[in-house]
Amino acid sequence: GAVVSQHPSRVICKSGTSVKIECRSLDFQATTMFWYRQFPKQSLMLMATSNEGSKATYEQGVEKDKFLINHASLTLSTLTVTSAHPEDSSFYICSASQGGYGYTFGSGTRLTVV
Amino acid sequence: DQQVKQNSPSLSVQEGRISILNCDYTNSMFDYFLWYKKYPAEGPTFLISISSIKDKNEDGRFTVFLNKSAKHLSLHIVPSQPGDSAVYFCGCGNQFYFGTGTSLTVIP
Repeated sequence: GAVVSQHPSRVICKSGTSVKIECRSLDFQATTMFWYRQFPKQSLMLMATSNEGSKATYEQGVEKDKFLINHASLTLSTLTVTSAHPEDSSFYICSASQGGYGYTFGSGTRLTVV
Repeated sequence: DQQVKQNSPSLSVQEGRISILNCDYTNSMFDYFLWYKKYPAEGPTFLISISSIKDKNEDGRFTVFLNKSAKHLSLHIVPSQPGDSAVYFCGCGNQFYFGTGTSLTVIP
């Protein structure tokens, strides 16, 4: 089946630094990738949708200058949290679509900003 | 304003019985729906989906029912197994708005 690899699974960084999270589709080409954020005891919140080769579309309230998304190839999308603050600590998850209605989720990244 | 609601935060079911998880949505334009489950500290696992042209989709022990007029989605798990214990989220729409999840506990 389709596999999406997300790396790293856990990261701790200092406040003010930047962190990059990678999302790779291992055995299929992902025309669209989605980035989500999950707070404790809350649902996944869609942050942005990225299509290969074009700018990401951000959901209302998500700072695009803070959460930089790059989808440079059909198998890789990256989310960079810039100038991280403790309130950015969360669980970030990507999902990838081959087109149509097939979606596969990554395993998530636990970001802790200290 | 929450577009997708799962009004039951938790559900306990005896092993072998049916688990029914419910989801309500507000946007009648949603045309694709899915269920996924999530274990603590892990990424979500896709379970089953349904498009708006259908009212039922079955995959093994999992069946999703869609009632478009009521804007209601449900997931049936029969028979329930202890390994099914997890948090279940419904997602609606092409880009997916998710409910807040229902924690299912299957009691051996």
